[in-house]
Amino acid sequence: NAGVTQTPKFQVLKTGQSMTLQCAQDMNHEYMSWYRQDPGMGLRLIHYSVGAGITDQGEVPNGYNVSRSTTEDFPLRLLSAAPSQTSVYFCASSPVGTRNSGNTIYFGEGSWLTVV
Amino acid sequence: QQPVQSPQAVILREGEDAVINCSSSKALYSVHWYRQKHGEAPVFLMILLKGGEQKGHEKISASFNEKKQQSSLYLTASQLSYSGTYFCGTPGGSWGKLQFGAGTQVVVTP
Repeated sequence: NAGVTQTPKFQVLKTGQSMTLQCAQDMNHEYMSWYRQDPGMGLRLIHYSVGAGITDQGEVPNGYNVSRSTTEDFPLRLLSAAPSQTSVYFCASSPVGTRNSGNTIYFGEGSWLTVV
Repeated sequence: QQPVQSPQAVILREGEDAVINCSSSKALYSVHWYRQKHGEAPVFLMILLKGGEQKGHEKISASFNEKKQQSSLYLTASQLSYSGTYFCGTPGGSWGKLQFGAGTQVVVTP
């Protein structure tokens, strides 16, 4: 099983450039999300989706767009890259949980992005 | 709001014990624990549910105090493989999305 697959693994961007981080999962999970991880700040939720055609903002959505046209794919778009977006990005998926229990999250291997 | 973890870091020798705490300012119905090795993705350790149910598969135990809105992860007789950063996560919203603490870095030395 591939699980959650992210591409690219490493990317260097110039300020102002745009790019898309790809994420695909083969577990038929309804819930997909994007986190960014910065030193000392843990994992912060950028955007999430509970199914095809449904997306919502997380804690730090500014500068990012998402769409969910299929259950499998959940790309993250950086509209105009800024140095503050230098980070490690993790895509994740899970079956839909509940407010009371949540559900186990499966993470992709991460994408290291540097904006210069 | 993010749950708060303590300590930020702990160094211990193989065989020693350590406790990692996670607290929240809001009512907790469950707490998730993940471990991340350097350069890798976080990996699920366990879920603790209100009422005492616990789901997990690692040889690491944890407790969940609903009244105090706290959870503690116990690393007992630590092994070198326990090194990594431990995150607690608390679900919120209608769909159970997780908010993670800042993490606790654990280093186990020989």
